[in-house]
Amino acid sequence: AQSVTQPDIHITVSEGASLELRCNYSYGATPYLFWYVQSPGQGLQLLLKYFSGDTLVQGIKGFEAEFKRSQSSFNLRKPSVHWSDAAEYFCAVGHASGGSYIPTFGRGTSLIVHP
Amino acid sequence: NAGVTQTPKFHILKIGQSMTLQCTQDMNHNYMYWYRQDPGMGLKLIYYSVGAGITDKGEVPNGYNVSRSTTEDFPLRLELAAPSQTSVYFCASSYDDSGANVLTFGAGSRLTVL
Repeated sequence: AQSVTQPDIHITVSEGASLELRCNYSYGATPYLFWYVQSPGQGLQLLLKYFSGDTLVQGIKGFEAEFKRSQSSFNLRKPSVHWSDAAEYFCAVGHASGGSYIPTFGRGTSLIVHP
Repeated sequence: NAGVTQTPKFHILKIGQSMTLQCTQDMNHNYMYWYRQDPGMGLKLIYYSVGAGITDKGEVPNGYNVSRSTTEDFPLRLELAAPSQTSVYFCASSYDDSGANVLTFGAGSRLTVL
């Protein structure tokens, strides 16, 4: 079975600093990979996704992620964090079940942004 | 476009009571899901549906039931509520495009069982 590991429960950065959130997955085939963001009191919103092709994908709000097959990783990055980026971030991997792809989510990383 | 709408947003239940969390989507999505979110545990899939009349169990189905009589609605039923069911519940939907499901989530329903 596939799994997703987000090793950092909390990450604290200063506003304007760079950010990298880690995600490692376990899956036998080429995965579908996602990053979602959850703002306080809200549902999850898709930041970006990787299905195939260019391993560096761009998302909304200035985020990007890089798929590294050799490391089974899909880390999320942002060069300069804004206070409004404070949220919970979830990495997810899609897998096949009865012909449909149902994402499995990591436990999430809470991003705290200091002014 | 409303997207995915969940009701209620908050609810307190007593142990042993039953209730239904409502979920409706207006995007004509085939797939619908129920997840629960517990602190530090991420999202766990409870049930999902690939179309009207078809449902299947996810990772943590015990204590819950679902039905899918229409494309739009996917209610989650809690029978004999237990404190372990205290959680935030998210409904989501997706349109399966080439097997790559991007989920649209509702805002969540926070349930407390006392």
